[in-house]
Amino acid sequence: SAVISQKPSRDICQRGTSLTIQCQVDSQVTMMFWYRQQPGQSLTLIATANQGSEATYESGFVIDKFPISRPNLTFSTLTVSNLSPEDSSIYLCSVPRGSGTTDTQYFGPGTRLTVL
Amino acid sequence: ELKVEQNPLFLSMQEGKNYTIYCNYSTTSDRLYWYRQDPGKSLESLFVLLSNGAVKQEGRLMASLDTKARLSTLHITAAVHDLSATYFCAGVSGGSNYKLTFGKGTLLTVNP
Repeated sequence: SAVISQKPSRDICQRGTSLTIQCQVDSQVTMMFWYRQQPGQSLTLIATANQGSEATYESGFVIDKFPISRPNLTFSTLTVSNLSPEDSSIYLCSVPRGSGTTDTQYFGPGTRLTVL
Repeated sequence: ELKVEQNPLFLSMQEGKNYTIYCNYSTTSDRLYWYRQDPGKSLESLFVLLSNGAVKQEGRLMASLDTKARLSTLHITAAVHDLSATYFCAGVSGGSNYKLTFGKGTLLTVNP
């Protein structure tokens, strides 16, 4: 399995501000992913964090709103900018781990964001 | 665009009973994931199904994959209260094995 930590675990922010979420993995990984889980909903992929290049965003997500950094192979940050109450969600990072039949995708503990 | 549909979305069952959660997906998915999420917690990986006909079992849970029917099932045998959680299936799209598209989840409640 993969050991993934996220900071902060939760935060309450005022609208118009920004929050930066950190994701740290216990070993080097090529790909890291950021997901959003809105209250009572399923998970939606925001972007793929690529080391050494720009993040790749999914439809409906843009870099100005969700800037991502990936300075090395064990760390990534996701910033949620210009916060509005609609951004209240759990944000999770994930990484693939394993090979062959044990290959799977592991998720961090999540960051619960509440925007007032 | 891959779409993943789970049913039922809500499942209340008694301990000791059997039931199946269904996961249909719209286009080719090279693999199918099942996850468990407890309230306020992150996702726990249960199964990864890699090929047609794949069947995996862990305890009271068994998952299968039929790629021709674009269907995966999660079968619960002799349910116990500890299995109460939300279960998600997820397929992959976009040419990557790791860009997951999730179903809406099935909230399972096992009653004594």
